Amino acid sequence: DSGVTQTPKHLITATGQRVTLRCSPRSGDLSVYWYQQSLDQGLQFLIQYYNGEERAKGNILERFSAQQFPDLHSELNLSSLELGDSALYFCASSVGSTGYEQYFGPGTRLTVT
Amino acid sequence: QQQVKQSPQSLIVQKGGISIINCAYENTAFDYFPWYQQFPGKGPALLIAIRPDVSEKKEGRFTISFNKSAKQFSLHIMDSQPGDSATYFCAASGMSGSARQLTFGSGTQLTVLP
Repeated sequence: DSGVTQTPKHLITATGQRVTLRCSPRSGDLSVYWYQQSLDQGLQFLIQYYNGEERAKGNILERFSAQQFPDLHSELNLSSLELGDSALYFCASSVGSTGYEQYFGPGTRLTVT
Repeated sequence: QQQVKQSPQSLIVQKGGISIINCAYENTAFDYFPWYQQFPGKGPALLIAIRPDVSEKKEGRFTISFNKSAKQFSLHIMDSQPGDSATYFCAASGMSGSARQLTFGSGTQLTVLP
């Protein structure tokens, strides 16, 4: 158990809808990272927050957004969902902003029908 | 553009054998190379990592070999066990602007036969 928690574990929704994925980092970790894992694209970095502020952006679509709250939990918002958004979404955390030693949560499996 | 190429896609070894997974990178700015292990239904777990100032790092049965000039690195699993059956991802990390990003390889599904 990495100490990173994610909810929900599974999410099934329809095209065009909006969903919110939640992540709580390990105790003491200030950075949160979001990744998308799909069969065709592999593990792709989406976005990083450090102590409430956006730190780095990867391959994140404009339909997706994230934020990190004062208690350091983070939410990833996915809107106008398409079939191709079906994937596993992982949250990871690390102590500092440098990105070394990232610890991954168990993931949220999103299915868009 | 895939910046970290991983091979093989799948690997089957006998119990007690050596498993070898290879990765190659393109970006010379990468300066941290971790390996992650992922079991079905779980998130990736950090296994071992190396920085380019050393050529080898060993932790238990797991060894990373690093060849900076060839821009290649590999994971060796000695005395492979059925419990090692999982998907292994290599990754490379480097600064992108003011932040560090992890770029993952495509993964290797390892099966260790009893």
